[in-house]
Amino acid sequence: AQKVTQAQTEISVVEKEDVTLDCVYETRDTTYYLFWYKQPPSGELVFLIRRNSFDEQNEISGRYSWNFQKSTSSFNFTITASQVVDSAVYFCALRKGGTSYDKVIFGPGTSLSVIP
Amino acid sequence: EAEVAQSPRYKITEKSQAVAFWCDPISGHATLYWYRQILGQGPELLVQFQDESVVDDSQLPKDRFSAERLKGVDSTLKIQPAELGDSAMYLCASSFRREGIQYFGAGTRLSVL
Repeated sequence: AQKVTQAQTEISVVEKEDVTLDCVYETRDTTYYLFWYKQPPSGELVFLIRRNSFDEQNEISGRYSWNFQKSTSSFNFTITASQVVDSAVYFCALRKGGTSYDKVIFGPGTSLSVIP
Repeated sequence: EAEVAQSPRYKITEKSQAVAFWCDPISGHATLYWYRQILGQGPELLVQFQDESVVDDSQLPKDRFSAERLKGVDSTLKIQPAELGDSAMYLCASSFRREGIQYFGAGTRLSVL
């Protein structure tokens, strides 16, 4: 069975600090996708990144970076120099790859508060 | 920028009443999803449509929930009768194809009194 664990329920940091959100996943599939979504107080989930299981290269997008390690089944998300606007709930998610149908499994989320 | 539209944003209803939520996906997106998100948890899929056909409704409580996407564009999710445990955020998402990235609407927050 597929599962996503986000052990950090809530994190508080002071503005400009770096913060890492942890994501550990379980799957028996060799082909799969991992995602990160941001949910601000307004409610909608905002897509941040998708990574497939064959691409372990880390990615950086502005202040955001992602570290994918298949050996530890982790897909961690780091925000550098955090800002108040980063305050949100962040979800890690997993989906089976290929064209066969399977639903996206979301983790429980990590609530990030950035204090000015 | 194209977005998924949902209405209403908030709904307060009494137990045993009927409620309906509407979703208009991003134009051209063939796949539409309805999720339920209980406070403090991640979204859980209720139903997935591919065009007008249901692909997965295994988690939809069919005794009280129904969903339709008659023309393969917009969709309606209905609850009848509503129960206290239905209080949650109902999110709609769409993707260009089944394997595609899902884009979410702002959701409908339902409170059942």
